[in-house]
Amino acid sequence: QKEVEQNSGPLSVPEGAIASLNCTYSDRGSQSFFWYRQYSGKSPELIMFIYSNGDKEDGRFTAQLNKASQYVSLLIRDSQPSDSATYLCAAVSGGYNKLIFGAGTRLAVHP
Amino acid sequence: NAGVMQNPRHLVRRRGQEARLRCSPMKGHSHVYWYRQLPEEGLKFMVYLQKENIIDESGMPKERFSAEFPKEGPSILRIQQVVRGDSAAYFCASSPAPGQGSGNTIYFGEGSWLTVV
Repeated sequence: QKEVEQNSGPLSVPEGAIASLNCTYSDRGSQSFFWYRQYSGKSPELIMFIYSNGDKEDGRFTAQLNKASQYVSLLIRDSQPSDSATYLCAAVSGGYNKLIFGAGTRLAVHP
Repeated sequence: NAGVMQNPRHLVRRRGQEARLRCSPMKGHSHVYWYRQLPEEGLKFMVYLQKENIIDESGMPKERFSAEFPKEGPSILRIQQVVRGDSAAYFCASSPAPGQGSGNTIYFGEGSWLTVV
C-alpha cells in the first residue's frame, strides 16, 4: 500500500513565525510532490509542487524534497492568521497524475 | 482551481436513491480524476479517466459506483443505491496530458457535497 504520512496536528504557531509542515512517503517511485491548502468546507488549493531534490521557493512558501529520506516539507514564512487551514501533501503515483494524499496537517496561526 | 466546474455543489439523497455528480475539466485539459473526502479525512483517489476511456479505477468501490467521461459533455460519477456511508465531498480534478507542458499542474473543482439521509 503506497502511503503518504502527515502529522494531523494541530500545529499552532504565532503570527509572523515560520510554520514547518512535514510529510513522508513510502513509494520510492514517486517523482513529484504537491502541497495543497484546504480551508474547511472548501476544495484543495494548489500551493506548489516539487520534483527535484532541494528547495523550491515561491513567495512566503518553500517546499523541500529529500528523495533519499523520502521526506517532503513545506515552510511558511511570516505566518498569517489567514494561513490557518489544513495542508495536504500528495505524491504522484504511477506514470500519470494520480495523487496519493496524506490525511493533512491542521495549521493554526494565532495573533 | 478556477475552471474545473462541478455540479451540483450540494446534493441530498435518501438511502437507495441514485446520485449523479458532474465535472467539466478546465479548458485544454483532457484528463479527469475523481477523489472522495470523508469527514475529517484526506482525499482518496477513486478513478482516472480520459475521453471515452477509464485509465485507472483502482480506487472505486466494486459495487454501486461508476464513472464515465464521454466524447461530448462532462465526466459523470454515478452512485447507485446510496447509503449513509457515501456521504462525503467528491472532488474532481483535471490536468493536461502528463508530460505536456504544465502536465504537473492538477487543479481541483469546488467539490460536490453528498449527504445521504
